[in-house]
Amino acid sequence: DARVTQTPRHKVTEMGQEVTMRCQPILGHNTVFWYRQTMMQGLELLAYFRNRAPLDDSGMPKDRFSAEMPDATLATLKIQPSEPRDSAVYFCASGPGLADVETQYFGPGTRLLVL
Amino acid sequence: GQNIDQPTEMTATEGAIVQINCTYQTSGFNGLFWYQQHAGEAPTFLSYNVLDGLEEKGRFSSFLSRSKGYSYLLLKELQMKDSASYLCAVVDSNYQLIWGAGTKLIIKP
Repeated sequence: DARVTQTPRHKVTEMGQEVTMRCQPILGHNTVFWYRQTMMQGLELLAYFRNRAPLDDSGMPKDRFSAEMPDATLATLKIQPSEPRDSAVYFCASGPGLADVETQYFGPGTRLLVL
Repeated sequence: GQNIDQPTEMTATEGAIVQINCTYQTSGFNGLFWYQQHAGEAPTFLSYNVLDGLEEKGRFSSFLSRSKGYSYLLLKELQMKDSASYLCAVVDSNYQLIWGAGTKLIIKP
């Protein structure tokens, strides 16, 4: 069945290292969202793409985070350099992109621990 | 500012009924979602309300009152597998999804 996939599922790294997280949206979906979830902050929207174009990345710390969609089947979120406060679960979600209001389908998440 | 309020945690007994409330203050309103999230897993869609009233879907129902800025998720015949967090999210006037912090529901035998 169609699912959003994310890699890696778990990542432990040291402060200062680059982290790259990948997401494959559901085939045919035109909107992609990156979220960060922590116990303290809940779900925070980091970036939002429609038809591969970034529409909103206001929730993303621009100095260290970057999000791209090299093609329709791949979205990436990079952190460089990583810091301990970046430790969180990062979710990717996709939607059909056919209407203004749609259900978002979440991937399993990448659990990031920065030491 | 935009604000979504949900209780942090609730406890209920297997077989019982529980109501999880969500109140919101947002710039505009274009619907309200409920998602379920089991520990260590991704959020999954439960319901979407855009008109006032109750929508029933099996053991789960969702209610909306736009004039009161209020919604609730009603879970009947609780099962142990219903232990999860329940996230309320509102679509604002810019079609942005504003997420609540979630309500952790603990089911006891």
